[in-house]
Amino acid sequence: DTGVSQNPRHKITKRGQNVTFRCDPISEHNRLYWYRQTLGQGPEFLTYFQNEAQLEKSRLLSDRFSAERPKGSFSTLEIQRTEQGDSAMYLCASSPYQGGDEQFFGPGTRLTVL
Amino acid sequence: DQQVKQNSPSLSVQEGRISILNCDYTNSMFDYFLWYKKYPAEGPTFLISISSIKDKNEDGRFTVFLNKSAKHLSLHIVPSQPGDSAVYFCAASYTGFQKLVFGTGTRLLVSP
Repeated sequence: DTGVSQNPRHKITKRGQNVTFRCDPISEHNRLYWYRQTLGQGPEFLTYFQNEAQLEKSRLLSDRFSAERPKGSFSTLEIQRTEQGDSAMYLCASSPYQGGDEQFFGPGTRLTVL
Repeated sequence: DQQVKQNSPSLSVQEGRISILNCDYTNSMFDYFLWYKKYPAEGPTFLISISSIKDKNEDGRFTVFLNKSAKHLSLHIVPSQPGDSAVYFCAASYTGFQKLVFGTGTRLLVSP
């Protein structure tokens, strides 16, 4: 399967714990995006990378959130000191083109903070 | 502010008939529009897109229409099939914006 993969698919954690998600984009896609989707809403942009450089971060990405893409391949999204409001589906997408063209999404990681 | 709006949360259609899903946008800078389909427990899957230089784009059973003056686009599915039952998201972007802005989605149910 050469699509975008995300791990884990589900994560249940207690409030205050740290969690880390991984995204493996389609190989050779130089752009990687993170989105968050809550119930009844569409995906909301969090951040994106071109190769290893993080070029934009949304205001939704508080100081507790950090994303990395070492060597321009896979990416990780870490949430420190999780809160119940962080419960959501975290989606990763990749694209080989300039922004505005189609993005290919992974299956997402569903986070539940108890 | 909701820059991309899908005002119909759900739509029910019989198999074989046409499904029409609507989307409105407010940001006149948007010049590229996409439709994604999402099944439960899966990520969104790209369906079809349209650039603002066009007013129609077809791909098999799927056609997207763009009315720039009304800031409105629609997705037509003809004929509708039960496998089309999913949540459909409209998304928009513009050159240099580097991200997609999504609507809240419309749940389509196609009954046999």
